Amino acid sequence: AQKITQTQPGMFVQEKEAVTLDCTYDTSDPSYGLFWYKQPSSGEMIFLIYQGSYDQQNATEGRYSLNFQKARKSANLVISASQLGDSAMYFCAMRDTTGKLIFGQGTTLQVKP
Amino acid sequence: DAGVIQSPRHEVTEMGQEVTLRCKPISGHNSLFWYRQTMMRGLELLIYFNNNVPIDDSGMPEDRFSAKMPNASFSTLKIQPSEPRDSAVYFCASSLQGAVYEQYFGPGTRLTVT
Repeated sequence: AQKITQTQPGMFVQEKEAVTLDCTYDTSDPSYGLFWYKQPSSGEMIFLIYQGSYDQQNATEGRYSLNFQKARKSANLVISASQLGDSAMYFCAMRDTTGKLIFGQGTTLQVKP
Repeated sequence: DAGVIQSPRHEVTEMGQEVTLRCKPISGHNSLFWYRQTMMRGLELLIYFNNNVPIDDSGMPEDRFSAKMPNASFSTLKIQPSEPRDSAVYFCASSLQGAVYEQYFGPGTRLTVT
């Protein structure tokens, strides 16, 4: 069965420092997509970054990068130069070829000034 | 561009009443998803449609829940009769079909059943 695991319920980081949010996944499909979403306290779900299972390079989007280690089935999110506005819940998700998106339990990130 | 539109944004109802949640996906998107988010269970996929056809409704909790997509620009999620344990935030999301495409979420409907 497909599964996404986020083992860090909560994380703290000092403003301007980098932080890594962990995500591991399990699937037998050769083709899949990995996504990270941000959910601030206002509740909306914001797409951050995508990594395809066949992509050779790690995805980057501004201050976000995805550390994709396929053999270890991990897709960690790295946020560089943290800002106060980065405080939110972060969800890792996997989408299979049928289109289903399966979410992890989320990690709450608090950025300290 | 308009994103995914959901209505109502908040709904408070009494146990036993019928509740209908509405969603308008992003124009051109051919996949639509309904999720439920609770503290206990996190984000759960309830049902999704490709090209207006339900593909997987295995996440629908029970027969009290039903979803329809009569056309490419509208979907409903109905709960009849509602129960207090249905209280949650219900999200609708849409995307292009396929594993490589991100899903765009609506603002959600916060449902409270008393």
